[in-house]
Amino acid sequence: EVLLTQSPGTLSFSPGERATLSCRASQSVRSYLAWYQQKPGQAPRLLIYGASYRATGIPDRFSGSGSGTDFTLTISRLEPEDFAVYYCQQYGSSSPDTFGQGTKVEIK
Amino acid sequence: EVQLVESGGGLIQPGGSLRLSCAVSKFTVSANSWSWVRQAPGKGLEWISLIYNVGNTYYADSVKGRFTISRDNSKNTLYLQMNSLRVEDTAIYYCARALIPDALWGSSALSYFDHWGRGTLVAVST
Repeated sequence: EVLLTQSPGTLSFSPGERATLSCRASQSVRSYLAWYQQKPGQAPRLLIYGASYRATGIPDRFSGSGSGTDFTLTISRLEPEDFAVYYCQQYGSSSPDTFGQGTKVEIK
Repeated sequence: EVQLVESGGGLIQPGGSLRLSCAVSKFTVSANSWSWVRQAPGKGLEWISLIYNVGNTYYADSVKGRFTISRDNSKNTLYLQMNSLRVEDTAIYYCARALIPDALWGSSALSYFDHWGRGTLVAVST
């Protein structure tokens, strides 16, 4: 069973800053990791798949990296619309919980 | 523009049944794989079911034996039949297109999700 850990639960930044979010898997999921953004009252939106590939229409300020057990989502310069909750999801190993618990990016 | 529109949610007593629908436009339901993902109030995301384009179905342990995923190709619509509902099934239910890497195709529910509906709320309560 693979557990995904996103820590910390909340990060505070000012607009224009660089944000780095972490997602750690309890065992290797190779590069089968996705990142989603969710704003209040909205459905999740796919940002990154395959650990580092941006989904269609996603701005290039979003980037993903990592493989195996350690993954990072980087937002190079936070825009006001980027303040949201971010979830990682692994699809490399069958497990009851495929999503991380989320990291909230809030305005400092 | 791709649209996935869920419907069928509502307030239901424990032990009851509901059928959720997901009307899909711009994609052909039978040519793609689809999932249902739910989110309990204030909580994270939980994958619950997947149907492959070829018809294989998969379920999370939490809903296995109670929920059934299906599709109507003529209506281009995905369904989730939910029976024996429990209080802990209370959530927003999203349908989503599931993308399965070639190396993982066919033998599991491993996938990620590129298009999502806006969700429908299911509240199970007395």
